[in-house]
Amino acid sequence: DSGVTQTPKHLITATGQRVTLRCSPRSGDLSVYWYQQSLDQGLQFLIQYYNGEERAKGNILERFSAQQFPDLHSELNLSSLELGDSALYFCASGRQGYEQYFGPGTRLTVT
Amino acid sequence: AQSVTQLDSQVPVFEEAPVELRCNYSSSVSVYLFWYVQYPNQGLQLLLKYLSGSTLVKGINGFEAEFNKSQTSFHLRKPSVHISDTAEYFCAVSRVNDYKLSFGAGTTVTVRA
Repeated sequence: DSGVTQTPKHLITATGQRVTLRCSPRSGDLSVYWYQQSLDQGLQFLIQYYNGEERAKGNILERFSAQQFPDLHSELNLSSLELGDSALYFCASGRQGYEQYFGPGTRLTVT
Repeated sequence: AQSVTQLDSQVPVFEEAPVELRCNYSSSVSVYLFWYVQYPNQGLQLLLKYLSGSTLVKGINGFEAEFNKSQTSFHLRKPSVHISDTAEYFCAVSRVNDYKLSFGAGTTVTVRA
């Protein structure tokens, strides 16, 4: 158990809908990272937050957004969903360093 | 930008045999290197990391990796595998002072009795 929690574990929704994925980092970790894992794209970095502020952006679509709240939990919002957005979404957390601890992931299925 | 190539997509191996998973990276700046393991239906777990210092890095579960700057490689090895090592293994790189990870495509290791 990495100490990073993600909810929900599974999510099934229809095209065009909007969903919110939630992540609670390990106690004391200020950084939260979001990654997408899909069969065709592999594991891709989406976005990083550090203590409430956006720190780095990767291959994140404009339809996707994220935020980190004062209690350090983070949410990833995915809107206007397409079939190709079906994937595993991982959250990771870390302190100001290089080790990232991954949560169990949220499996999103868009039908 | 940095990139990672894992040279083998699948590696079948017999129990108690050694295994080597190959990883090459490219980057115009200094990098840090990582190996993660993903067991079925689970998240990623850090096996080991290279930040600086000794080029031979020891990790958890008997794994080790060697950083070779001239060959831009970071191969993972284990001298004797167990059935429980069946998993997908990812090599990852981040630029120094830039914490986001770039992952390779992964290597599926299947250990057979």
